[in-house]
Amino acid sequence: DAGVIQSPRHEVTEMGQEVTLRCKPISGHDYLFWYRQTMMRGLELLIYFNNNVPIDDSGMPEDRFSAKMPNASFSTLKIQPSEPRDSAVYFCASSLTGAFEQYFGPGTRLTVT
Amino acid sequence: KNQVEQSPQSLIILEGKNCTLQCNYTVSPFSNLRWYKQDTGRGPVSLTIMTFSENTKSNGRYTATLDADTKQSSLHITASQLSDSASYICVVSANAGNNRKLIWGLGTSLAVNP
Repeated sequence: DAGVIQSPRHEVTEMGQEVTLRCKPISGHDYLFWYRQTMMRGLELLIYFNNNVPIDDSGMPEDRFSAKMPNASFSTLKIQPSEPRDSAVYFCASSLTGAFEQYFGPGTRLTVT
Repeated sequence: KNQVEQSPQSLIILEGKNCTLQCNYTVSPFSNLRWYKQDTGRGPVSLTIMTFSENTKSNGRYTATLDADTKQSSLHITASQLSDSASYICVVSANAGNNRKLIWGLGTSLAVNP
């Protein structure tokens, strides 16, 4: 198995632009998580899905952030409009068993100038 | 408030030496505790998981301990190697109704020098 796949690996954009991050979970995993990691705050859970349905989005910072999972093999995290404080590494993870044994993707490093 | 605190924030050791990383938590109700290793530029990878009834668990040169009474865990690395240079993150799972909530520590950054 290729593991969790994320794209792009790096994204540099200007403030105000729309950013879309993509994730392909491990086949057969029915939980998908989106995290944001910064030096100051560490890993923060933004949202997670179970069987393509959003279960907990309490970590989504504000309305500028949205996430979708149209099918079991694909999810997107969108930021519109982006701001410099959104600069971080965004990780996608998938799991067979809820909040345990999460398998992380390589992350997308987002820089908003 | 559910919290996970790790110490030290960073650590530098020489190759071949041992080290111990600490994780203190105030999470209730406790479900389990997991240690992750995160190499630079990569996602975290699980090293070990510990439940309430487990005191010690080993994974090769990594040994995790858990004291549920004092709410402390440690990760001991024996005979360190250069490849052990990474961030080590402690994560505690709390039962929250029908869901489980993960509380992540900020990690300890370990550098193993030759």
